Amino acid sequence: GENVEQHPSTLSVQEGDSAVIKCTYSDSASNYFPWYKQELGKGPQLIIDIRSNVGEKKDQRIAVTLNKTAKHFSLHITETQPEDSAVYFCAASIGRDDKIIFGKGTRLHILP
Amino acid sequence: KAGVTQTPRYLIKTRGQQVTLSCSPISGHRSVSWYQQTPGQGLQFLFEYFSETQRNKGNFPGRFSGRQFSNSRSEMNVSTLELGDSALYLCASSLFGSQETQYFGPGTRLLVL
Repeated sequence: GENVEQHPSTLSVQEGDSAVIKCTYSDSASNYFPWYKQELGKGPQLIIDIRSNVGEKKDQRIAVTLNKTAKHFSLHITETQPEDSAVYFCAASIGRDDKIIFGKGTRLHILP
Repeated sequence: KAGVTQTPRYLIKTRGQQVTLSCSPISGHRSVSWYQQTPGQGLQFLFEYFSETQRNKGNFPGRFSGRQFSNSRSEMNVSTLELGDSALYLCASSLFGSQETQYFGPGTRLLVL
């Protein structure tokens, strides 16, 4: 079946450094790729998304890049801050269905 | 605008019982999707409702069911609870459908003993 692989599962970075989370997807018809941030005790929050007709999108310290040929997309967080500590999920739409498949998540720790 | 609300936030049930969870979407949103989140399986899609009709369904047994009302509020029901049903149940609303921008509620944490 269709799936989304996400790496790494855990990531620790020094405050102020950059963090990169990578995902690969299997369905070549996928055209929507959202990223979610989930803090403890809360539901996932959409932080940025990208569609397949765009290669890169940026929103302040957050950016997402998409490589359709290789079927992978990445989340980049620059100048990390303590409040960036959370679990991040990537997701991809399934072409034939109106569904979203999520990656297993990356726990990001920002070290002081 | 108020966000997605879910009730109750926490629930403890025993095996064999049934449970009903409720979700109120963002005002104006017509689509509600339900997800099960567990440490082992991550976020898994249960089903989506749009304009009171189930538009999509994940790979869960028939014990999991849902419905949507005319005001877009949705309920999810799990019958004959099993220990493995312990999870965080999340609902998400969007304007038109699950491939569009979704906004999640805080979830209902269900513990089955």
